Amino acid sequence: EDQVTQSPEALRLQEGESSSLNCSYTVSGLRGLFWYRQDPGKGPEFLFTLYSAGEEKEKERLKATLTKKESFLHITAPKPEDSATYLCAVQAGYSTLTFGKGTMLLVSP
Amino acid sequence: DGGITQSPKYLFRKEGQNVTLSCEQNLNHDAMYWYRQDPGQGLRLIYYSQIVNDFQKGDIAEGYSVSREKKESFPLTVTSAQKNPTAFYLCASSIVFRQGSNQPQHFGDGTRLSIL
Repeated sequence: EDQVTQSPEALRLQEGESSSLNCSYTVSGLRGLFWYRQDPGKGPEFLFTLYSAGEEKEKERLKATLTKKESFLHITAPKPEDSATYLCAVQAGYSTLTFGKGTMLLVSP
Repeated sequence: DGGITQSPKYLFRKEGQNVTLSCEQNLNHDAMYWYRQDPGQGLRLIYYSQIVNDFQKGDIAEGYSVSREKKESFPLTVTSAQKNPTAFYLCASSIVFRQGSNQPQHFGDGTRLSIL
C-alpha cells in the first residue's frame, strides 16, 4: 500500500527565516510526486511535479527536490503570504494519487 | 478562464436526505475525481471517472454515488446511507492517466457539507 508522510504537521517561521518541509513516501514504481498549496476554505493549487530522483523545480521562493525516498519543499526567505497548508501526493504505476496529511505553515511578519 | 467550478460553496443536509454536489470543468480534461477532506486527514478519494459513462470507486465510496453523462460534469450525490457526511468535498480533473500520464490534477474550491 502506498504511503505518504509529511513532517512537520505544523511550522511557524518568522518572515525571512528559511526552512524545509519533508514528504516521505513508500510506493512501488513512482510515476510522479506532486506538491500543492492549499489556503483555508480553498481547493489545492498545483505547484510542482517531480518525476525522478535528483530532479529539482523552483518557483519564486519555493524549491522542490526529490530523492528515492523523500521530497523536500525548501522555502527561502518566506513572506506572510506564503502561509498555507502544503500537500504532497504520489502517483504510482497507473494508479490515482495518494496524499499526505499536509504541513500547515504560518509565516509571521 | 479555464477552471473547475463547484457549487454550492456551503450545503446543509437534513437526516435521511440525499444531496447533490455539482462539479463542472471547462479544461477539456477526460478524468475527473471526487475527494473528501476531513481535519487532520489527507484527501481521500471517493470516486473517479476517466471517460464519459464510466466511473470507478475510490477508497471511501460507500454512501456516495456519481454519474458522468457529459465530459464537463461529474456530480456527486451524498446519500442518506453516508452516516458521517460532514466534510469538505473537493472535485478535481486531469488529463487521463490511463496511458501512464503523470499530469497533475487541478482542483475546484470545494463544497462544505454540514448536517442540520
